Amino acid sequence: DAKTTQPNSMESNEEEPVHLPCNHSTISGTDYIHWYRQLPSQGPEYVIHGLTSNVNNRMASLAIAEDRKSSTLILHRATLRDAAVYYCILRDGGTGANNLFFGTGTRLTVIP
Amino acid sequence: GAVVSQHPSRVICKSGTSVKIECRSLDFQATTMFWYRQFPKQSLMLMATSNEGSKATYEQGVEKDKFLINHASLTLSTLTVTSAHPEDSSFYICSASRQLAKNIQYFGAGTRLSVL
Repeated sequence: DAKTTQPNSMESNEEEPVHLPCNHSTISGTDYIHWYRQLPSQGPEYVIHGLTSNVNNRMASLAIAEDRKSSTLILHRATLRDAAVYYCILRDGGTGANNLFFGTGTRLTVIP
Repeated sequence: GAVVSQHPSRVICKSGTSVKIECRSLDFQATTMFWYRQFPKQSLMLMATSNEGSKATYEQGVEKDKFLINHASLTLSTLTVTSAHPEDSSFYICSASRQLAKNIQYFGAGTRLSVL
């Protein structure tokens, strides 16, 4: 599986936008970019995913670079409940396998 | 929708005993269920993938005789940690994917296992 690189930690002020970067320079043409987040002492939660085009849903937006070697998860207005570890994961859409391999993620701290 | 329930949320047991963890998809049929393990301050590690009615596929390094997985129905998978030892103490998390959205996994809240 192609690897992703994320900053270990980031901070944001409450009610401000947050841009969480992810590098995936070895991404293949069939890899989907998935984002999950894990709140303290809980299981992960699906946030968003995309292939080539930018995606929006009620939780976040996903901006994908034109060469697909990087992407950014955007939380439009951070709340205290958004404090979590955010994982950027590549899933191979070509094999049909749905396994997710989690990296170390980015720990987001939201400052009141 | 897409709720996954995991039980128990916490278990403390003596060394040498076996512990069963249940994972249920409450409002959908889960074609595939996954089991992960997470040690403190570390990321999730996939242990095995199971499809209903067939044997689980274990990741390299995971002992299938130690971590027994049964996926007897489309809504229930169980993980049994046999002859648990203190080094098996960890946070065990299951997830499930549905037929119509196989690429998204819905996770349970996790089970914290402490082996004394």
